[in-house]
Amino acid sequence: GESVGLHLPTLSVQEGDNSIINCAYSNSASDYFIWYKQESGKGPQFIIDIRSNMDKRQGQRVTVLLNKTVKHLSLQIAATQPGDSAVYFCAEKGNDYKLSFGAGTTVTVRA
Amino acid sequence: DGGITQSPKYLFRKEGQNVTLSCEQNLNHDAMYWYRQDPGQGLRLIYYSQIVNDFQKGDIAEGYSVSREKKESFPLTVTSAQKNPTAFYLCASSMFGGNYGYTFGSGTRLTVV
Repeated sequence: GESVGLHLPTLSVQEGDNSIINCAYSNSASDYFIWYKQESGKGPQFIIDIRSNMDKRQGQRVTVLLNKTVKHLSLQIAATQPGDSAVYFCAEKGNDYKLSFGAGTTVTVRA
Repeated sequence: DGGITQSPKYLFRKEGQNVTLSCEQNLNHDAMYWYRQDPGQGLRLIYYSQIVNDFQKGDIAEGYSVSREKKESFPLTVTSAQKNPTAFYLCASSMFGGNYGYTFGSGTRLTVV
């Protein structure tokens, strides 16, 4: 079946450095993508989204890049802070209007 | 403030007992979802409902049941038929159709002993 996945399960980043979290998707019909952040023991929180007619979208300290040619999505976090330590999930919306979630990348920020 | 509320936050049950997890939203969202999350794992869809009085099985529906009698509420029952019920359960809601993300609750951690 079609699914969303992340390239790496864990990422360790020095505080102050930029983080890049990657995600590969396989459903070429997906037209909407979201990044979520989940802190330990909590529900996922919306970070940023992007529609398939865009290739880049910026938020506060975060940027999402979409490359439809290779079906790749990435989340860039600028000047990573200790509070950015969490699990990050990408999600895609296909024809059935439901989101499909990747397995997640655990980001650990080193002081 | 609008939001989605799951209760209780922690739940302990003896093996063989059914247990019902509550999920309520006041966002006027059409669709609601239940996910299961095991340690270090992603989100697996249990059941979802896109409209009142209708719901569909997700990827891991066996041993679970739901109802959607009101737009605001989507309770999940974990039955004794569920072989490994200990997990973190997440409820979510969204508008239906179009490009909408999900709003998640804070989760219920169920431990069966």
